[in-house]
Amino acid sequence: TQLLEQSPQFLSIQEGENLTVYCNSSSVFSSLQWYRQEPGEGPVLLVTVVTGGEVKKLKRLTFQFGDARKDSSLHITAAQPGDTGLYLCAGDNYGQNFVFGPGTRLSVLP
Amino acid sequence: KAGVTQTPRYLIKTRGQQVTLSCSPISGHRSVSWYQQTPGQGLQFLFEYFSETQRNKGNFPGRFSGRQFSNSRSEMNVSTLELGDSALYLCASSPGQGIRQYFGPGTRLTVT
Repeated sequence: TQLLEQSPQFLSIQEGENLTVYCNSSSVFSSLQWYRQEPGEGPVLLVTVVTGGEVKKLKRLTFQFGDARKDSSLHITAAQPGDTGLYLCAGDNYGQNFVFGPGTRLSVLP
Repeated sequence: KAGVTQTPRYLIKTRGQQVTLSCSPISGHRSVSWYQQTPGQGLQFLFEYFSETQRNKGNFPGRFSGRQFSNSRSEMNVSTLELGDSALYLCASSPGQGIRQYFGPGTRLTVT
């Protein structure tokens, strides 16, 4: 069974701080996705990383895919209250299905 | 384009009853996947339909079933509801396998 672990589970920080959340697995995925989910809504895709070692930037968000394609990290610079939400990583099981991690619940206080 | 829509948004059922949830994908999308989201287990894959055929299935009991119609709309059915079936049920559509998924807002099912 493929599993994705995310850490930390919960994170509460002040506006302007930096943070990093992690997504780890013992399995290799063909790609890995990061989503943000807000209350009452479905997850919204932020980024897909495909190549081992790949780094992608989306404004203040930086995503990295591990060299072995088993882990990933999301770094947020100067967090804002609008970044509050549940951050989910999902591994693409070579087109068969997506395996989701349990999520990191981020709260950014003004 | 309209996004993925799910009906109903909220539902309360009693143990032993059955329930049918509906999902309308984005126009032109032929793949529909269903997920169950709970605080304890996170997001778990139920099944995926593509062109009316179930293509992949997760590790859920046979009480969970689904189908897809020729217009790509999909329904999910849960029979003999249990308290543990209380969850947010999410539907995601995609143009095809391995291509970006777009999630609907979900149906919040409460079993009492």
